[in-house]
Amino acid sequence: TQLLEQSPQFLSIQEGENLTVYCNSSSVFSSLQWYRQEPGEGPVLLVTVVTGGEVKKLKRLTFQFGDARKDSSLHITAAQPGDTGLYLCAGASDAGNMLTFGGGTRLMVKP
Amino acid sequence: DARVTQTPRHKVTEMGQEVTMRCQPILGHNTVFWYRQTMMQGLELLAYFRNRAPLDDSGMPKDRFSAEMPDATLATLKIQPSEPRDSAVYFCASGRGTGSSYEQYFGPGTRLTVT
Repeated sequence: TQLLEQSPQFLSIQEGENLTVYCNSSSVFSSLQWYRQEPGEGPVLLVTVVTGGEVKKLKRLTFQFGDARKDSSLHITAAQPGDTGLYLCAGASDAGNMLTFGGGTRLMVKP
Repeated sequence: DARVTQTPRHKVTEMGQEVTMRCQPILGHNTVFWYRQTMMQGLELLAYFRNRAPLDDSGMPKDRFSAEMPDATLATLKIQPSEPRDSAVYFCASGRGTGSSYEQYFGPGTRLTVT
């Protein structure tokens, strides 16, 4: 069974601060995705990383896939209240289309 | 802007009643997933369809839950009889099911409360 552990589980910061969320596993994934979920809505895909060591940027968000494709990180620069939400990482295996989701990081950015 | 739609958005029912949740996947997507989300357990996969055929429902309590795709535009998740522990948000997601960078697109969810 593939497991993804996210840390921290909860994070409360002030507007303008930087933060990093981690997603770790002992298993290798063919790709890894990051989603953001806002209250009352479904998760929304932010990015997919496929290659070991890959770095993708989405405005103030930087996503990195570990060299061994077992872990990933999400770094937010100068966080804003609009970044508040639940961040989920999800790994895809070579075996099929199912995703393994991490437990999520609940981020609150205070103005 | 293509989206996954789910109905109803909210459902309150009494224990023992039947509950049916519906999902319309994005046109052209051939894979459909049902998830359940709670604060304690997070996002759990209940069932997975590809080209309308059920491929994995190991996460679903078989005695009371059933999932079907009567056609390519409709997926259903049924609970009969419902129990208070079924209270959760149920999400449907769809995807194209190709390549290693597989992605899923989620609906807004059905919030179920069983009293």
